[in-house]
Amino acid sequence: QKEVEQDPGPLSVPEGAIVSLNCTYSNSAFQYFMWYRQYSRKGPELLMYTYSSGNKEDGRFTAQVDKSSKYISLFIRDSQPSDSATYLCAMRFWSWGKLQFGAGTQVVVTP
Amino acid sequence: DAGVIQSPRHEVTEMGQEVTLRCKPISGHDYLFWYRQTMMRGLELLIYFNNNVPIDDSGMPEDRFSAKMPNASFSTLKIQPSEPRDSAVYFCASGPWGEKNTEAFFGQGTRLTVV
Repeated sequence: QKEVEQDPGPLSVPEGAIVSLNCTYSNSAFQYFMWYRQYSRKGPELLMYTYSSGNKEDGRFTAQVDKSSKYISLFIRDSQPSDSATYLCAMRFWSWGKLQFGAGTQVVVTP
Repeated sequence: DAGVIQSPRHEVTEMGQEVTLRCKPISGHDYLFWYRQTMMRGLELLIYFNNNVPIDDSGMPEDRFSAKMPNASFSTLKIQPSEPRDSAVYFCASGPWGEKNTEAFFGQGTRLTVV
């Protein structure tokens, strides 16, 4: 079993819809949770960062962490074609160190 | 800052040849990471450095892989001899120390094809 599980998709949604992404993990020691966005043939870039449980909102993006269920989510409101990318969850145990990535979910937003 | 710079962007080589990938991290960053990305295995950490010292190389697949960081502004990942299963996109990333809410910044990657 992988430490971090993420459905690879693809997930296709119409423009304007809400995109819902999630990851589950097995190690309760993870404390820092991130979401990265990766466009085709580019490196990943950090979207959201959350410490421990709770919600965080940044513009159209909302990240949620439920440590009791070992489950994290990313929501994208009012999705745009420019949101079409692969979204990777990542997590680590301490404030710095090795990041464990999920497999990434490919999202396609159709006009 | 120009960001993390990797070279070459693309590399095609024959099996058995030596391959060297290069990375220039963002100035002032204390951490440097080498990742490999494939469809089958996703994004895997190979090795990371702190202040030029290798901290964790447990992700390095085998002895054919080696990484060095001779100074704060340069790192190499070498594969010798290369094999077709090494074909992947290799990313270098760097990050500052001690900041809870900042993260690693990735380069554009080197797409390696071993034929």
